[in-house]
Amino acid sequence: RKEVEQDPGPFNVPEGATVAFNCTYSNSASQSFFWYRQDCRKEPKLLMSVYSSGNEDGRFTAQLNRASQYISLLIRDSKLSDSATYLCVVKVSGGGADGLTFGKGTHLIIQP
Amino acid sequence: GAVVSQHPSWVICKSGTSVKIECRSLDFQATTMFWYRQFPKQSLMLMATSNEGSKATYEQGVEKDKFLINHASLTLSTLTVTSAHPEDSSFYICSGQGALGYTFGSGTRLTVV
Repeated sequence: RKEVEQDPGPFNVPEGATVAFNCTYSNSASQSFFWYRQDCRKEPKLLMSVYSSGNEDGRFTAQLNRASQYISLLIRDSKLSDSATYLCVVKVSGGGADGLTFGKGTHLIIQP
Repeated sequence: GAVVSQHPSWVICKSGTSVKIECRSLDFQATTMFWYRQFPKQSLMLMATSNEGSKATYEQGVEKDKFLINHASLTLSTLTVTSAHPEDSSFYICSGQGALGYTFGSGTRLTVV
């Protein structure tokens, strides 16, 4: 079973729509959670961290369900520039120098 | 903000040659540098973790003698792909861990012909 699983998409949605996608993680010891954005042939860029209480940053809302080991990202009023691959990322330990575990990503295409 | 400068951006080399990739942390000290590899349509896979002044820790299945990592200072880490083969063609990317979290380099696209 993969450590971080995401639906690869692609998700094609019209501009202005609201879209949500999620991921599941297998390691219950995971303590930190993130959504990264990766544009084609570029490095990943941190979109937002994900907290147990849920958090919002502008048009983006992230949710974490520890019991179900499930993370979600919701994008409201989608823009053309939101087209990218969204990576679900977890870190197992809370401290120390541990690498991040990446999902394969969900490809989102916003259509005009 | 924190920046990691990664060079080269892309390289094409002949099979059997070695390629060195550099990552420099600018404006912060990267106590730890992570090296990832990403094949097309695949997720980033951690190859190794290096701490300044000590030997790198490699993930299972990654050959330490083939992928040489040097982390000589808090601002510079290098990855050398030795005796490269076509199957080593991939997108290699580093990530420095500093006080403010993880900062990625811009990646190196390696093509071995």
